[in-house]
Amino acid sequence: EVQLVESGGGLVQPGGSLRLSCAASGFTFSSYNMKWVRQAPGKGLEWVSYISSSSSTIYYADSVKGRFTISRDNAKNSLYLQVNSLRAEDTAVYYCARACSSTSCYGFGYMDVWGKGTTVTVSS
Amino acid sequence: EIVLTQSPGTLSLSPGERATLSCRASQSVSISYLAWYQQKPGQAPRLLIYGASSRATGIPDRFSGSGSGTDFTLTISRLEPEDFAVYYCQQYGSSPLTFGGGTKVEIQ
Repeated sequence: EVQLVESGGGLVQPGGSLRLSCAASGFTFSSYNMKWVRQAPGKGLEWVSYISSSSSTIYYADSVKGRFTISRDNAKNSLYLQVNSLRAEDTAVYYCARACSSTSCYGFGYMDVWGKGTTVTVSS
Repeated sequence: EIVLTQSPGTLSLSPGERATLSCRASQSVSISYLAWYQQKPGQAPRLLIYGASSRATGIPDRFSGSGSGTDFTLTISRLEPEDFAVYYCQQYGSSPLTFGGGTKVEIQ
């Protein structure tokens, strides 16, 4: 079964840090580009970051640039998001999502597999 | 940045009725790199449509997508009880990747 499972969320004070993880299974993780998407409470979806299969191409939303770092470990079938200098407006459910195969990718790829998400709450 | 505007914000319909959801882009979406997602409360989004009109695996044929350039439409031909949810469009052709604000389809 193709699956993504996020972890690492929690309650953190403003200015704090967390490392979110996403464990992939059921597909060849190293062949797929990946994304992080977040959703603030009661709000819509917001794309956060994109990483290519080889980590050679990385993009961030302006709202997180300079504070968040996406990475991956293909040997461990894992995707990460290091979130630093957290603000109240970063409070959200963070989803990892599979984008597209590196050999068959249109644009940045639609997201056909999603995890259930991990919740980050930034509050003092 | 491509801004996606979805309308209406809320659609109140009865089971069996037809739903038409609109997604308008502030500039042309590259090669129809537009997707539609369904999200139910407490769940992750689910891919419905990609490439503006291609149904994702396992998606019933009552869901269809159309459009190109700046105007896109998601149509649900006959609403089933499980279709009442929030629907988002998203463009994946250029960075930053952007989502529309969503359309909630609720039971009338």
